[in-house]
This record gives sequence, structure tokens and C-alpha cells, in this order.
Amino acid sequence: DGGITQSPKYLFRKEGQNVTLSCEQNLNHDAMYWYRQDPGQGLRLIYYSQIVNDFQKGDIAEGYSVSREKKESFPLTVTSAQKNPTAFYLCASSPTSTNEKLFFGSGTQLSVL
Amino acid sequence: AQSVAQPEDQVNVAEGNPLTVKCTYSVSGNPYLFWYVQYPNRGLQFLLKYITGDNLVKGSYGFEAEFNKSQTSFHLKKPSALVSDSALYFCAVRVLKFGANNLFFGTGTRLTVIP
Repeated sequence: DGGITQSPKYLFRKEGQNVTLSCEQNLNHDAMYWYRQDPGQGLRLIYYSQIVNDFQKGDIAEGYSVSREKKESFPLTVTSAQKNPTAFYLCASSPTSTNEKLFFGSGTQLSVL
Repeated sequence: AQSVAQPEDQVNVAEGNPLTVKCTYSVSGNPYLFWYVQYPNRGLQFLLKYITGDNLVKGSYGFEAEFNKSQTSFHLKKPSALVSDSALYFCAVRVLKFGANNLFFGTGTRLTVIP
């Protein structure tokens, strides 16, 4: 069953803690993306990766970090520097970075304890 | 700057009636425009896109969108709404940013189809 898998579905973060959100795809897509969704603000791009071992900052990269060591995996770490991390996080992929048809995962809801 | 606007946060329509979800854009050059739909607690799903050609674009689930260059609009339409169409709809435009093509999303319009 092909697609994008995000885990966990719900995640809670304590003050000063780093947490990592998982994103795995078996679509053989080159490009992967992380978006943050807040009510009334649409989706904002955090980081994206056009190819393995490469990634670029998006509009709101501060307080976040990523890695792209494998083509199928693009984990996002929400660091303690991100002061307002509560949001719905969406991972997406596309066949190439020039293909705008994005395939999205089901999302992770991150909340602060 | 390139952007996309969805002027309505909420649209309500009766089942069986036609629906329209509005989107206007601002881009330099020819626009690449998209519609995505999000069902509760899920990721977004691609509905349709306009790049060039016929101004009326047909997509998934019976939806279509009309590109209007003079009004810089790309409204999403469906002739007869279903209760299952109730969801959050996002308009997006392709932007060249950060050295690559990326999608810039509108703030979303929540469509509620009333039985």
C-alpha cells in the first residue's frame, strides 16, 4: 500500500524538550516537504528537500531542524527554541521538486504540556 | 509578491445546490494554480490544477475550476453539492522561492453542505 506515513498521530512536548516527527514515503519521490497548519493561517512551509542529502529552509524554519539521509525518510525535529510549537504538522512529497502535485500524510498534532 | 487569497472562511450550501469556493491570485508571469481538499484530521488531497490551455479545468469528485485572467480568479465549482463534499478547501499558487518551485497556500475555506 503506497503512500506517506506520519507518526505519531498525536504528540505532546514538555517545556525545553526536543521532539521528532516521523515521515516515511514509499512512493520513490525525490522531493519532500514539511508544512505547519494553524487555524485560519493555511499551510506554511517549514523545510523542504529536493533530493536526498539536501534540504532548504522554508518560510518558518526557525526552531526546527530536518535531515534527509534516506530518500524515503524526512524527519522533523521541533526544538526547544520553537516557542509556539502547538500546531498540526503535515509532511508531503512529490515525484520531483518541479512537480506541484503533492501527496500528503495524515498529519501529526503536536501539543505542549 | 506572489500570493493567493480565499476571501471566505466559511461557505454553506444546501445539498443538491451548486457550490462555489472563491480564490483570487497575484503572481508575476503566468500563474500555476491548484485546489486541494482536506478532510477532518487528514492530509490534503489534490483536486485539480491549471497551467495552460482551457480556462475550465475538471478535477476529482466532479469538481471543476474556472481560470479568469482578467479577474485574476480561480474559483472552484461543482454543479450539485453532496454532504460528503463538506471539508476544508485550499487554493494554491506555484511560486519560485528559496531556489525552487514551491506551493503557496491560501488560508482555506470551510465548506459545509447542509442535508
